[in-house]
Amino acid sequence: AQKITQTQPGMFVQEKEAVTLDCTYDTSDPSYGLFWYKQPSSGEMIFLIYQGSYDQQNATEGRYSLNFQKARKSANLVISASQLGDSAMYFCAMREPNTGNQFYFGTGTSLTVIP
Amino acid sequence: GAGVSQSPSNKVTEKGKDVELRCDPISGHTALYWYRQSLGQGLEFLIYFQGNSAPDKSGLPSDRFSAERTGGSVSTLTIQRTQQEDSAVYLCASSQGTSAHNEQFFGPGTRLTVL
Repeated sequence: AQKITQTQPGMFVQEKEAVTLDCTYDTSDPSYGLFWYKQPSSGEMIFLIYQGSYDQQNATEGRYSLNFQKARKSANLVISASQLGDSAMYFCAMREPNTGNQFYFGTGTSLTVIP
Repeated sequence: GAGVSQSPSNKVTEKGKDVELRCDPISGHTALYWYRQSLGQGLEFLIYFQGNSAPDKSGLPSDRFSAERTGGSVSTLTIQRTQQEDSAVYLCASSQGTSAHNEQFFGPGTRLTVL
């Protein structure tokens, strides 16, 4: 089974609108970390936001927030007030420190912000 | 610069030749990861080093691929007898520790083209 699933290959959003990028994960480890990364066309991978499995509140970082629904194993990224510079690939990832410490990445979602 | 660095940034080689890709992680980071990203695709895990422990080589696609990490710092990924399907961007990342919350910091990547 896939550890991380991103079901939206491509998304479009109007500038200044909010957008949600979906991510579901699969683990039996009670301790894990969830991450979102942004990869613009330049190719660099930029860390956006982190959510720990024991965190009670949803993580927020500026315009980014993570909608963490533990029972549904869902960790959706919400970008508010989209900007043209948000156009990029977005990857969801998970780390399981108790089982090998690898990072598992999803296949990514390509976000295009329309002016 | 305190980030992860990789060299060369671009490498063009002929089929059958060996190549070496270098990664300098962030100072003090104990974990180092190599990934491969083909055009328009997600990240494919290759190998993971953690401190002085034996590396996790489970992602290496064939015995033509090998990696080492000297002195717990710099790492070299070697591809022997390169094939055209090895063409991709090779990304290196480092992480401060092994806790779930330790995010990865990525280098700019090495774009490998095998003619």
